Amino acid sequence: AQKVTQAQTEISVVEKEDVTLDCVYETRDTTYYLFWYKQPPSGELVFLIRRNSFDEQNEISGRYSWNFQKSTSSFNFTITASQVVDSAVYFCALSGYNQGGKLIFGQGTELSVKP
Amino acid sequence: DADVTQTPRNRITKTGKRIMLECSQTKGHDRMYWYRQDPGLGLRLIYYSFDVKDINKGEISDGYSVSRQAQAKFSLSLESAIPNQTALYFCATTPGPPVDTQYFGPGTRLTVL
Repeated sequence: AQKVTQAQTEISVVEKEDVTLDCVYETRDTTYYLFWYKQPPSGELVFLIRRNSFDEQNEISGRYSWNFQKSTSSFNFTITASQVVDSAVYFCALSGYNQGGKLIFGQGTELSVKP
Repeated sequence: DADVTQTPRNRITKTGKRIMLECSQTKGHDRMYWYRQDPGLGLRLIYYSFDVKDINKGEISDGYSVSRQAQAKFSLSLESAIPNQTALYFCATTPGPPVDTQYFGPGTRLTVL
């Protein structure tokens, strides 16, 4: 069975703080893909990153960075110097190679960045 | 213009009514999906389709049906709506295979009274 756990339901930080959103996954597939999506208050889902299981390199995109560790089945997301516009619900998701592209989502983490 | 559109964007209906949610995409993708979002539960898959003749049940298909009218259109129906189907519904597309990024529509907020 596949499962994604985002243990942090809500996080509140003050602007300019760094914040890390945790994602732990379970899968028996040897080939799989991990995703992060952002859902701002307006409700749409915005794709942030896709990572395959063979690429454990960390990735940085501006203030965003992702740490993928197969040894701990984690794919954590860090926002550096957070801004009010980062306030959103963030979802981690998993798709196995032979699962028809279906996404298994975590419960989401609601991030509130206060000025 | 948006690549994935959903209509209606908001809908309030009554228990027992039949309702259809529509999804259209201009991305030329073969694979389409319907998800449901409930607070604290993330998104869960209802149905998915690889082409007009290939439709599959997802995790929570009971009480729902779908129709793939064309490559670009995938509709979700609630035959007899009930209050616990109140949720935010998303359509998504992906080129596939095997796994590629899913692109989501703006969502339909459905309230069943």
